[in-house]
Parts: sequence; C-alpha cells; structure tokens
Amino acid sequence: DQQVKQNSPSLSVQEGRISILNCDYTNSMFDYFLWYKKYPAEGPTFLISISSIKDKNEDGRFTVFLNKSAKHLSLHIVPSQPGDSAVYFCAAGGNEKLTFGTGTRLTIIP
Amino acid sequence: DAGVIQSPRHEVTEMGQEVTLRCKPISGHDYLFWYRQTMMRGLELLIYFNNNVPIDDSGMPEDRFSAKMPNASFSTLKIQPSEPRDSAVYFCASSLSGIEAFFGQGTRLTVV
Repeated sequence: DQQVKQNSPSLSVQEGRISILNCDYTNSMFDYFLWYKKYPAEGPTFLISISSIKDKNEDGRFTVFLNKSAKHLSLHIVPSQPGDSAVYFCAAGGNEKLTFGTGTRLTIIP
Repeated sequence: DAGVIQSPRHEVTEMGQEVTLRCKPISGHDYLFWYRQTMMRGLELLIYFNNNVPIDDSGMPEDRFSAKMPNASFSTLKIQPSEPRDSAVYFCASSLSGIEAFFGQGTRLTVV
C-alpha cells in the first residue's frame, strides 16, 4: 500500500519554463514533507521541505505547495534549467521516519 | 565530514550466496536508515536505528534480511541466501533529527 504516490513517472519541460511535480499522500498523520533530487549513480539529496502547518515554502527557484485538505503537495521549479534534469522523490514524515514516493523523472529540454 | 559512506558500490553475486552491505553514517547523527530502491516501489524503508538500537524493521522483506549496528559509526545489511529478486540499489542514510536524511551513494546489487 503506497502511502505516498507520484503518479507521473516522467515529465519533460522546455528550458526556462515552469516544472510542476505532483505528489499525493494518504496518511493524515504525516506532519512534514520533503522533496529529494537524485542524479544517476548518486544518492538522493535534500532539496526543500514544508511543515504541515504551512501551505507554501520557497527557496530560490524552488517552491513547495501543500494542500492538506486534498492531501496533495507540489514542487514548482521556475525557471527550469538543464541541470534540473533528475529524478525527484517526494517524501512524507512523521514519527522519525520518511516514506518516499516512486519518483518522477524530470527532463529539461534545451 | 565525508558524508555517508557505503561499500561496496557494486556487488554481483550468485544466487544462494551471502551478501553484506556496509555503511558509515555521518558522525554525530543518531539515526541510521536502510532503504531499497526499485522501479516499482521507489525508495522503501527496510529498517532504521536510533542510537544503534533497531526501532522499526517492519520493512525488512524476509528473514533472509538482517541488519546490525554494533556502534555509532558502522552498520551492515546482510542478505542470506541471496535471490535474483533482491537485485536493487540499496541506500544507507543518516539523520540528526529523524527528519532530513542524508544519503550515501548506494550499493547496486545484482544477484544472478
């Protein structure tokens, strides 16, 4: 039973445009959410997080939005750059451990 | 700090053999996690430790899998006997707070 779902396995976006990656979760007990970025042959690296008491968190080109009533979060990257091409994992946390989604492969087209 | 260090980076073994994966967490981190990455299930948590004590091993798929953390700077994940369906990338991660986790580069395991 996947508690964290990323329904789009892949996404292609033109360089300079906005990339929007989506994530849904089922467990209302999750109280913080994170996005990780993963390049081939490397481990995932932390990108941005949001607490359940907020609905938006921004860090440079990256913004995460949280809609608790819909149990949905999204990551916006604007403008998208070629170096953003990677697999992005959504993760939800509560009680010391993180539950990850299956990932979305983002490809930025020059 | 060099980050989380995993060894080996790649492991190819025959079905039925014992496999041991190793991890050195970031110094001072109290939490250590073992994850497995597959296409179908993404990053699955296998087991995690807090202060060297196993807290939750509900993700360990079978009795063939075992993990230990004899001290704060070393952990192992053992599979015995290994099977082809165990082929995956195994990640170790450590954390100061249990929230943001720092990952190693992973061990790609292939069981033939």
